[in-house]
Amino acid sequence: KAGVTQTPRYLIKTRGQQVTLSCSPISGHRSVSWYQQTPGQGLQFLFEYFSETQRNKGNFPGRFSGRQFSNSRSEMNVSTLELGDSALYLCASSLEGGLYEQYFGPGTRLTVT
Amino acid sequence: AQSVTQLDSHVSVSEGTPVLLRCNYSSSYSPSLFWYVQHPNKGLQLLLKYTSAATLVKGINGFEAEFKKSETSFHLTKPSAHMSDAAEYFCVVSENSGGYQKVTFGTGTKLQVIP
Repeated sequence: KAGVTQTPRYLIKTRGQQVTLSCSPISGHRSVSWYQQTPGQGLQFLFEYFSETQRNKGNFPGRFSGRQFSNSRSEMNVSTLELGDSALYLCASSLEGGLYEQYFGPGTRLTVT
Repeated sequence: AQSVTQLDSHVSVSEGTPVLLRCNYSSSYSPSLFWYVQHPNKGLQLLLKYTSAATLVKGINGFEAEFKKSETSFHLTKPSAHMSDAAEYFCVVSENSGGYQKVTFGTGTKLQVIP
């Protein structure tokens, strides 16, 4: 069974631009969660989507948004990029979320200059 | 409110000696608990999970953890460290909150293994 895939793997953007990251979960998984990982703040939860609905959200500004499609693939969008948005963005999928273990993708390394 | 505290940000052990990574949690209900490992420049991998079955949980690569409700702890142990265990380890708590599952990651413990 194929694992979680994230595209692109690396991205360089300029401050003020916007970016869209993509995540394809393991086949059959309906929950997709997004995390931001930085050396200073560690691993922080962004949001979770389940059956195309956002059902859990972390403490991030509205510039961070996401969506999930009917095939469970998910996208995360960050608008008006700031230097502090430079991070590794991880996507994780699970069967139902929560109690079920999450399987992580390799991440997208975003650098904002 | 749900929270998880990893008591050590860095742990250093010699190869062949025991490993202990400490985790305390706070949860309003019966939580599920996980340990994940992240090797340098790689994604996170599940080591083991506790979901209200046996309190002593065995995971991959010789790791195990014991759920102690009275101490609200879920410490990760391994009898003998290997060089390949050098990585960052995350304790995670998950519980049902308001009708959906809430997941909280600890801040991580970096394990250094000295040859």
